[in-house]
Amino acid sequence: GENVEQHPSTLSVQEGDSAVIKCTYSDSASNYFPWYKQELGKGPQLIIDIRSNVGEKKDQRIAVTLNKTAKHFSLHITETQPEDSAVYFCAASINTGNQFYFGTGTSLTVIP
Amino acid sequence: DTAVSQTPKYLVTQMGNDKSIKCEQNLGHDTMYWYKQDSKKFLKIMFSYNNKELIINETVPNRFSPKSPDKAHLNLHINSLELGDSAVYFCASSRGGWAYEQYFGPGTRLTVT
Repeated sequence: GENVEQHPSTLSVQEGDSAVIKCTYSDSASNYFPWYKQELGKGPQLIIDIRSNVGEKKDQRIAVTLNKTAKHFSLHITETQPEDSAVYFCAASINTGNQFYFGTGTSLTVIP
Repeated sequence: DTAVSQTPKYLVTQMGNDKSIKCEQNLGHDTMYWYKQDSKKFLKIMFSYNNKELIINETVPNRFSPKSPDKAHLNLHINSLELGDSAVYFCASSRGGWAYEQYFGPGTRLTVT
């Protein structure tokens, strides 16, 4: 089955700096890569996703890049704000299968 | 309007008891899920279900069973609760399966004493 590794497990940045979270996957058939944000006491919420036919996607301060050859994808948050503090999860899934795997999570703290 | 709701939010019970967690979605989605999040925040899929197929994660004990009275509901029944079942359980739904956005409920914190 798929194995999704996520790094780092914790990340602290100063407000205004950028934050980068990286994930690797093992199954080359994976073709959908979402990122979820989980605030304290809440369920995860999708913030951005990318499919395998795209190398990069951006939405305001958030961007995701995908390198299919190397089997890794990354989340980039620019101009971080205190409200970005949360746990972030990457995930990978295969369209035609019944497989969906979350990474182990990154706890991001933005220091004001 | 709450998209995905779960009840109860907190559940404290003793070992050996049987309990249920209810989940309802008003998004018209056809696929629903149950996840377990442990104390280290690891999220693990337990079940996915649409009106045609139930997919069970093979590592889930058969003490756990999903029951869907209709397309908008997927309840989780747990028999003979064990200490290791203590976790936060999330219900989620999506419109078409794994390759689409999943909407999560607020979670149910289960504590087994």
